[in-house]
Amino acid sequence: ELKVEQNPLFLSMQEGKNYTIYCNYSTTSDRLYWYRQDPGKSLESLFVLLSNGAVKQEGRLMASLDTKARLSTLHITAAVHDLSATYFCAVTTRGQGNFNKFYFGSGTKLNVKP
Amino acid sequence: DGGITQSPKYLFRKEGQNVTLSCEQNLNHDAMYWYRQDPGQGLRLIYYSQIVNDFQKGDIAEGYSVSREKKESFPLTVTSAQKNPTAFYLCATSGTPMNTEAFFGQGTRLTVV
Repeated sequence: ELKVEQNPLFLSMQEGKNYTIYCNYSTTSDRLYWYRQDPGKSLESLFVLLSNGAVKQEGRLMASLDTKARLSTLHITAAVHDLSATYFCAVTTRGQGNFNKFYFGSGTKLNVKP
Repeated sequence: DGGITQSPKYLFRKEGQNVTLSCEQNLNHDAMYWYRQDPGQGLRLIYYSQIVNDFQKGDIAEGYSVSREKKESFPLTVTSAQKNPTAFYLCATSGTPMNTEAFFGQGTRLTVV
């Protein structure tokens, strides 16, 4: 059974600061995803990382993937209050008939204080 | 509009009742999923379906049932056997092997009264 661990689970930071969220997974995976969830809302896709060394950036968020270390990071640069949300990473494994089963981390709840 | 529609947004269930949550998609995706999310928790997989007329149990299937009679629809029934059904339920879909990103509906919040 594939395990996905995120840390930290809770993160409180000041606006303007930088921080990194880590996502470790236990076995080889095809792809890694980052999602954002606002309170009471659904999950919004942020990044899809497809290969070792992949790096993607959108605004103040940058995600990277190291498949050898089974590690992905989500780096926040100069945080702003609007980034306050819960962030999930997920990985997939290729199953029967090319079906992809998703495994989610527990989420990192980010609170950016003004 | 293309997307995933879950209904209702809020649902209240009395003890001992079965309730059905709707999930409809027009993305032409083969795979559909149901997840449960408890407050402050991650997502746990209830059931998933790769193709019409086929579905598999996830990690917490007890007390739930599904059907997949049409590609577009994957309803979830929460039965009276589910002892603690109060949660946020999310339906998701994913497409071809080359585009496996999961897309989520807006969710249904189920409360037992």
